[in-house]
Amino acid sequence: DAGVIQSPRHEVTEMGQEVTLRCKPISGHDYLFWYRQTMMRGLELLIYFNNNVPIDDSGMPEDRFSAKMPNASFSTLKIQPSEPRDSAVYFCASSLLTGGGYTFGSGTRLTVV
Amino acid sequence: QKEVEQDPGPLSVPEGAIVSLNCTYSNSAFQYFMWYRQYSRKGPELLMYTYSSGNKEDGRFTAQVDKSSKYISLFIRESQHSDSATYICAMSEEETSGSRLTFGEGTQLTVNP
Repeated sequence: DAGVIQSPRHEVTEMGQEVTLRCKPISGHDYLFWYRQTMMRGLELLIYFNNNVPIDDSGMPEDRFSAKMPNASFSTLKIQPSEPRDSAVYFCASSLLTGGGYTFGSGTRLTVV
Repeated sequence: QKEVEQDPGPLSVPEGAIVSLNCTYSNSAFQYFMWYRQYSRKGPELLMYTYSSGNKEDGRFTAQVDKSSKYISLFIRESQHSDSATYICAMSEEETSGSRLTFGEGTQLTVNP
């Protein structure tokens, strides 16, 4: 298995633009998580899905952020409009229901100028 | 007060040294404890996974959990330059993925050749 695949690896965009981050989880995993990592706050959980259904989005900072999981093999995290304070590394992770830890993707490094 | 406290470092040691990394936590319901290793510009990868109190050894790595003190440790013996990374502790109340992971901030380790 190729692991959790995220795209793009890097994204530089201007303030006010829409940004879409993509994730393909490991086949057969029941859970998908979106995290944001910054130096100041470390890893912050934004939202997670179980069997494609959003379970907890309380970590989504504000209405500018939205996430979807239309099927078991694809999820998107969208920021519209983007702001400089959204600059961070965004990670997608997936796991089995039975736990045992998460498998993270390589992340998308977002810079909003 | 954060639920999980971890000294961010940075920590610098010579090759061959024994490294001790630690986390403290406040939630007595945590039962599952993990250590993730994150190389620069990569996603975190699961290094050790333990349940409740006690020790677990895997090669040069030993994870220790002391639930009475709410304290966990990761020891690295015969440290190598390739161990240079950020080490992040994580913990959860239940084993299933529906139980959210709480992460520490991570400790940046450099092993000097």
